[in-house]
Amino acid sequence: GDSVTQKQGQVTLSEDDFLFINCTYSTTTYPTLFWYVQYPGQGPQLLLKVTTANNKGISRGFEATYDKGTTSFHLQKASVQESDSAVYFCALVADSAGNKLTFGIGTRVLVRP
Amino acid sequence: AQTIHQWPVAEIKAVGSPLSLGCTIKGKSSPNLYWYWQATGGTLQQLFYSITVGQVESVVQLNLSASRPKDDQFILSTEKLLLSHSGFYLCAWGLDNYAEQFFGPGTRLTVL
Repeated sequence: GDSVTQKQGQVTLSEDDFLFINCTYSTTTYPTLFWYVQYPGQGPQLLLKVTTANNKGISRGFEATYDKGTTSFHLQKASVQESDSAVYFCALVADSAGNKLTFGIGTRVLVRP
Repeated sequence: AQTIHQWPVAEIKAVGSPLSLGCTIKGKSSPNLYWYWQATGGTLQQLFYSITVGQVESVVQLNLSASRPKDDQFILSTEKLLLSHSGFYLCAWGLDNYAEQFFGPGTRLTVL
């Protein structure tokens, strides 16, 4: 079945550091890809959406590029702030009906002031 | 603007007792609706989805059921809770298939 792999369970950074979160996917079709961010006690918020049509998403200083060759969708931010501390989930929709959203395990990002 | 409301905010229930969680979407006509479960510190698992009133598709079996009695309402329920049902339940809506999904604030369920 469709799957998403996030290898990093936790990333600890200092303010102004570069953030990189690895995400790879496995599917038999061309999926629509998402990054969600979840703050403690809240529901996830959509950060980015990328399709085969646009290939790259940018939002709030974060960006992710859809690479079909390496089946990757890594998330990057040039300079993190303490407020970026949260859990980041990579997710995809690839089923024929377009309703099954599959999430990765999440990467906890801790930014120290 | 669309708003999504979930009730209750939190619930503590005994093993074997019944459960009903609700979700209401305002400001959007005929949305796709979804239920998710999240264990503490874990990922999100999609449970059910509905694209129209009265029709619900099950994605994974967890001894739970869902119903969509109105266009803007989605209900998650069970007649007998298990310890494994503890966690964070999230409702979400989407405009269309393959579209992004927008999540509600969630309901924290503790089963003792």
